Amino acid sequence: DTEVTQTPKHLVMGMTNKKSLKCEQHMGHRAMYWYKQKAKKPPELMFVYSYEKLSINESVPSRFSPECPNSSLLNLHLHALQPEDSALYLCASSLSMGGNGYTFGSGTRLTVV
Amino acid sequence: ILNVEQSPQSLHVQEGDSTNFTCSFPSSNFYALHWYRWETAKSPEALFVMTLNGDEKKKGRISATLNTKEGYSYLYIKGSQPEDSATYLCAFLTGTASKLTFGTGTRLQVTL
Repeated sequence: DTEVTQTPKHLVMGMTNKKSLKCEQHMGHRAMYWYKQKAKKPPELMFVYSYEKLSINESVPSRFSPECPNSSLLNLHLHALQPEDSALYLCASSLSMGGNGYTFGSGTRLTVV
Repeated sequence: ILNVEQSPQSLHVQEGDSTNFTCSFPSSNFYALHWYRWETAKSPEALFVMTLNGDEKKKGRISATLNTKEGYSYLYIKGSQPEDSATYLCAFLTGTASKLTFGTGTRLQVTL
């Protein structure tokens, strides 16, 4: 298995909703990442997990809450989002932090209404 | 804030043309430079990871060079094909190897 799988592919949520994005890989990668991409902008790093521990939080608002329950799974819990949080959320993994190229999922297109 | 810049922003070439793009990045605290190809509605796909000054890498018709002293990398596509149409992103990894910062990308369109 050489893929990163993200679910759901599309999500529409209200500002009072709670939802979660899921990311899974079975390549034995020990670093996992969440990126956010707005239209016509480059992907921006949100969080980095290394060996299931949060290594980097790029000053992301607390309405985004990451979780890494095991080495294959990365979640992003969403609560009380704003319309400006609408974006493509990309998950990626790599063998280790700084190790080789990243393998990306195809993303979750999130719309906050 | 790290500045990773790519040029041109977009490019439209005919099938069979050869083309190249530029990625500029900070020349200090360098760890690695990544190149990705991102086709619409798909995942970004890693093309190259380059770490040494003077590195040259090749994958089929695509090649890349790296100059860490002056902070730039070139991506070349020889004999462009319509399936090369995509956004090409470079990304800079700092000395701590923890944070991959992406450039704004070059959008390539290859027509028959």
